Amino acid sequence: GAVVSQHPSRVICKSGTSVKIECRSLDFQATTMFWYRQFPKKSLMLMATSNEGSKATYEQGVEKDKFLINHASLTLSTLTVTSAHPEDSSFYICSARDVGGSNQPQHFGDGTRLSIL
Amino acid sequence: AQSVTQLGSHVSVSEGALVLLRCNYSSSVPPYLFWYVQYPNQGLQLLLKYTTGATLVKGINGFEAEFKKSETSFHLTKPSAHMSDAAEYFCAVSDRTGGFKTIFGAGTRLFVKA
Repeated sequence: GAVVSQHPSRVICKSGTSVKIECRSLDFQATTMFWYRQFPKKSLMLMATSNEGSKATYEQGVEKDKFLINHASLTLSTLTVTSAHPEDSSFYICSARDVGGSNQPQHFGDGTRLSIL
Repeated sequence: AQSVTQLGSHVSVSEGALVLLRCNYSSSVPPYLFWYVQYPNQGLQLLLKYTTGATLVKGINGFEAEFKKSETSFHLTKPSAHMSDAAEYFCAVSDRTGGFKTIFGAGTRLFVKA
């Protein structure tokens, strides 16, 4: 089946640091990738939709300058949390939808646990 | 706009008992419906999906769900629970009015007692 690899799985860093998270579709091409944030014992909150070769579409309330998204190829999207602060600590999950169509399910990475000290 | 409601944030069943996780959706157009499972500190794994065709959908690990348009429901069932089924389950919907973005329900934590 389709595999999405997310790296790193866990990051612990100091306040003010910028952190980059990678999301790769390993055996399929994804024109669209999604970035979610999940708070403890909560559902997934869509942060942005990442489109290959164009600017990401951010959801309302998500700071574009804080969460930089780049989708440089059909198999790679990156999320950079700039100047991270403790309130940015969370579980970040990416997903990718196969180019096969809008009725295709999203395939999820295993998530990145970000802890800002 | 589409939305998903999962009734019950926690469900507890005994091993071997029927599992029923409820999901109701709101959509003004034919929806695509999904159930995902999440184990601790992991991403989501697709259990099953409904797009068109047969309304009873079978998924992995013995789970199935039935799309009932009249009830706007997509409940997840499994005849006999196993300890390994303990996890968080998310119902999700997408449709063309939302640009096919997937909207997730709040999730239901399934506990399985020995």
